[in-house]
Amino acid sequence: GDSVTQMEGPVTLSEEAFLTINCTYTATGYPSLFWYVQYPGEGLQLLLKATKADDKGSNKGFEATYRKETTSFHLEKGSVQVSDSAVYFCALEYGNKLVFGAGTILRVKS
Amino acid sequence: SAVISQKPSRDICQRGTSLTIQCQVDSQVTMMFWYRQQPGQSLTLIATANQGSEATYESGFVIDKFPISRPNLTFSTLTVSNMSPEDSSIYLCSARVGYGGELFFGEGSRLTVL
Repeated sequence: GDSVTQMEGPVTLSEEAFLTINCTYTATGYPSLFWYVQYPGEGLQLLLKATKADDKGSNKGFEATYRKETTSFHLEKGSVQVSDSAVYFCALEYGNKLVFGAGTILRVKS
Repeated sequence: SAVISQKPSRDICQRGTSLTIQCQVDSQVTMMFWYRQQPGQSLTLIATANQGSEATYESGFVIDKFPISRPNLTFSTLTVSNMSPEDSSIYLCSARVGYGGELFFGEGSRLTVL
């Protein structure tokens, strides 16, 4: 069945460091891909999405490109801030259902 | 957009009891879902809550254990029945505004079963 694999965390970075969180997927057909973020004490929020191959989703300085050839949707940010500390979930959508990765904890130190 | 409120936000329950979680959305939504997030694991879809009819359950989840109601377009409940420690999880309500629209999530209900 469809699945999503994310790099394990926690990922600990210093402020202004470059961030990559890897995400690969297995799916039949061409799913839409998402990154969700969960800040401490809050619910999940959509961070960005891409609906077809080569689409780039971006928001709040984060970017991810839908790569069909490598079945990947890696999350990147050029310069992280302490306020980016959260749990990040990669997900794919088939029909009206989302399949989530395990989540990656990001900790940013000042 | 949609703002989703869940109650309770957390609870500690005794083995063998049942607990009902309520989910209220501030606008009419087309689809509502219930997810489970077990400790250290990802979110798993339990079921799609259908308005006025029986919920559609995913593999591994059954109505007797997780009865769901959705009496209208803005409200749903999930009951966790005959709880055991393995049911200790965060249960999240989510809703979609319009077909193909963004999926919004509540803050979750953290259940601990002793």
